[in-house]
Amino acid sequence: EVHLVESGGGLVKPGGSLRLSCAASGFTFSDAWMSWVRQAPGKGLEWIGRIKSRIDRGTTDYAAPVRGRFIISRDDSKKTMFLQMNSLKTEDTAVYYCVRPPTTDVTPHWGQGTLVTVSS
Amino acid sequence: QPVLTQSSSASASLGSSVTLTCTLSSDHSGYIIAWHQQQPGKAPRFLMKIEGSGSYEVGTGVPDRFTGSSSGADRYVTISNLQSEDEADYYCETWDSHSWVFGGGTKLTVL
Repeated sequence: EVHLVESGGGLVKPGGSLRLSCAASGFTFSDAWMSWVRQAPGKGLEWIGRIKSRIDRGTTDYAAPVRGRFIISRDDSKKTMFLQMNSLKTEDTAVYYCVRPPTTDVTPHWGQGTLVTVSS
Repeated sequence: QPVLTQSSSASASLGSSVTLTCTLSSDHSGYIIAWHQQQPGKAPRFLMKIEGSGSYEVGTGVPDRFTGSSSGADRYVTISNLQSEDEADYYCETWDSHSWVFGGGTKLTVL
């Protein structure tokens, strides 16, 4: 059974940094493309970025609101994905979900989410 | 980049059926989409993927009350014999070579 468990959320001041982790199990993590999706309070789902598998060169893509501030990385030996968030803004306040995203051949899976609050 | 359009709300009575619609932008009318359900206070849960042909694949543990279909740029999820636990937000999602995108979500109320 697939499990995705996020950690690292919390309260941070505007301009600060935070690193989220996502521990994966139940599938071959090294072969998987992985994504982060967030949901601001009372709002819808927003895709923020994806990292490809190492065999696909580990390429990353980001949504415009976070490009240049957020960095996605992975450690396949630990079956873990990371989200480094820098220069945080109040509008980054959200629950952040680790997701194995859907593709033509892949069924998606969601983590339980971790809350990030950016406030002074 | 594709755009997905959903109605903001829908309602139906307990035990009845309801169909939710997700419309792809015209240049992307053949794309596969995924439907996700988010019950109040919970993480989203994958329901199904639907192809332009109407073929669909449901997720593990999804009741057979949930079915999918397609017509042109529209992708549908139909929920039969509505239960109280079906009251939730429903999001569609699609992707291209560089990004994924979600629709705005439909809030389903079970009366």
